[in-house]
Amino acid sequence: AQKITQTQPGMFVQEKEAVTLDCTYDTSDPSYGLFWYKQPSSGEMIFLIYQGSYDQQNATEGRYSLNFQKARKSANLVISASQLGDSAMYFCAMREGGTGGFKTIFGAGTRLFVKA
Amino acid sequence: GAVVSQHPSRVICKSGTSVKIECRSLDFQATTMFWYRQFPKQSLMLMATSNEGSKATYEQGVEKDKFLINHASLTLSTLTVTSAHPEDSSFYICSAEEPGRRRGAFFGQGTRLTVV
Repeated sequence: AQKITQTQPGMFVQEKEAVTLDCTYDTSDPSYGLFWYKQPSSGEMIFLIYQGSYDQQNATEGRYSLNFQKARKSANLVISASQLGDSAMYFCAMREGGTGGFKTIFGAGTRLFVKA
Repeated sequence: GAVVSQHPSRVICKSGTSVKIECRSLDFQATTMFWYRQFPKQSLMLMATSNEGSKATYEQGVEKDKFLINHASLTLSTLTVTSAHPEDSSFYICSAEEPGRRRGAFFGQGTRLTVV
């Protein structure tokens, strides 16, 4: 069963505008972590943001924020003030269980295109 | 700088030969490392969990004899693609978790394998 769902294969956004990338997940484990990674054409995986299942507040990292809706099992990424360099693949990921040593699984990804 | 180093970044090999990919954690000891495979325009698929000092745990559908994983030290895991065929051509990425760190795994730079 698919545990991480990203329903947007591709998204377009105008430079300097905000964009939301959707992610829903499924788990029965009460302890889990949610991540977003950026993968440019070079292939490297760049960590963007993390949200723990017990965190009370939504995570923020600079221009990135995670809209965590626990009851709905969604963890959408919001990128504010988009830049041309934000054009890349974005993956939502989940790690079940406690810290360290537990595998991380990825969604299908969303390709973001930022227009000048 | 990179905390997980993966080598080589690119390799071309002939059908029937074996290829070894190395994944090193540079600044920490990693009892667990993970190997992923990524086809063009697709997500990262977890292949196996590499455990230091013990056998790797393979995901369903991944051939153990085809993809040999060795985690002989706390800083090095290797993936050997044995008797490679063109269908093994792919992007392989490793990751390692730093114990106690909440913010997800560090990823290697990836290895693009082409089997001709």
